[in-house]
Amino acid sequence: DAGVIQSPRHEVTEMGQEVTLRCKPISGHNSLFWYRQTMMRGLELLIYFNNNVPIDDSGMPEDRFSAKMPNASFSTLKIQPSEPRDSAVYFCASSPLAGTYNEQFFGPGTRLTVL
Amino acid sequence: KNEVEQSPQNLTAQEGEFITINCSYSVGISALHWLQQHPGGGIVSLFMLSSGKKKHGRLIATINIQEKHSSLHITASHPRDSAVYICAGGRRGATNKLIFGTGTLLAVQP
Repeated sequence: DAGVIQSPRHEVTEMGQEVTLRCKPISGHNSLFWYRQTMMRGLELLIYFNNNVPIDDSGMPEDRFSAKMPNASFSTLKIQPSEPRDSAVYFCASSPLAGTYNEQFFGPGTRLTVL
Repeated sequence: KNEVEQSPQNLTAQEGEFITINCSYSVGISALHWLQQHPGGGIVSLFMLSSGKKKHGRLIATINIQEKHSSLHITASHPRDSAVYICAGGRRGATNKLIFGTGTLLAVQP
């Protein structure tokens, strides 16, 4: 299995631009998570989906952030407009089943720099 | 008080030493995950524990439910073990939502 795939791996953009991060979960996994990691705040859950349905988006910072999962094999996290404080590493993870006892498999991350 | 707390924040060891990283968690957390993040940035899940002990190679994870405490041990440490180790708690219920500790930066010197 290829594991969780994220693209792009690195993104540099200017303040005000739209940024779209992409994720392909492991085939057959029913849960998908978007995380953000910064030096100041560590790892934070932004949103997660079960069976393509958003379950908890309480971690999404503000309306500039949106996430979609149109099908079981693809998800996007969009930031519009981007700001320098959005600079971070964004991880996508997937899990076979819902429930706290299931291991999560992380993608390699997208390092976002907003100038 | 954070729901998941780790100690120490930083740890330096000599190759071959036995290493212990600790994690305390609050009521309501029923599963404890240990993750490893290498300098390159990738995150790997090491263990998920809800009771007892698990072992994988030189890594051992234990959990004490009554004391709400988990430990990650590394035996015969090696420089390639140098990484950030993160514990994360999962709450009871159907959600997969994890609450992360701040991580322990481990450096194993040859």
